[in-house]
Amino acid sequence: AQSVSQHNHHVILSEAASLELGCNYSYGGTVNLFWYVQYPGQHLQLLLKYFSGDPLVKGIKGFEAEFIKSKFSFNLRKPSVQWSDTAEYFCAVAAYKAAGNKLTFGGGTRVLVKP
Amino acid sequence: KAGVTQTPRYLIKTRGQQVTLSCSPISGHRSVSWYQQTPGQGLQFLFEYFSETQRNKGNFPGRFSGRQFSNSRSEMNVSTLELGDSALYLCASSLDSVINTEAFFGQGTRLTVV
Repeated sequence: AQSVSQHNHHVILSEAASLELGCNYSYGGTVNLFWYVQYPGQHLQLLLKYFSGDPLVKGIKGFEAEFIKSKFSFNLRKPSVQWSDTAEYFCAVAAYKAAGNKLTFGGGTRVLVKP
Repeated sequence: KAGVTQTPRYLIKTRGQQVTLSCSPISGHRSVSWYQQTPGQGLQFLFEYFSETQRNKGNFPGRFSGRQFSNSRSEMNVSTLELGDSALYLCASSLDSVINTEAFFGQGTRLTVV
């Protein structure tokens, strides 16, 4: 069965600091990878996704993520965070043609950006 | 375009009762998935429906069931409620499989079992 782990449960940082959130998955086959964000009081929304091609993908609001197949990782980064980036971030994996049509989510990382 | 609509937003039920939650997907989306979100377990997949057929089911007891109608609207039902069923239930709609298309989530229904 596929699983996803996010290393940090809570991250606190100041505005303008750089952010990197780790995500590792366990599945040996082809995967599609996603980062979703949940702002306080709002619904989950897609930040970025990787299906194939350039392993460095860019998403909305200045976020990017790098897929490293050999490390089974898909880490999220942002060079300079803003207070409005305070949210919970979820990494998700979809294993193509295996385990059905579903997203498996990591446990989430709560990010607090201090003004 | 309108997003994913879940009703009701909040529910309080008593142990042993049953509950039905509703999800209206984005127009044109044929896939609806349901997830349970709790502080302890995070987001866990319940089931997915596509064109009125259940395509996949998560590891939840049979008390959790769902269905999808011809207009793609979906309902999930939980019978014989337990305290541990208290959670935020999220519905996600997508054009096809969430494997290769973006899933759009609703605001969720917060169920409290007392």
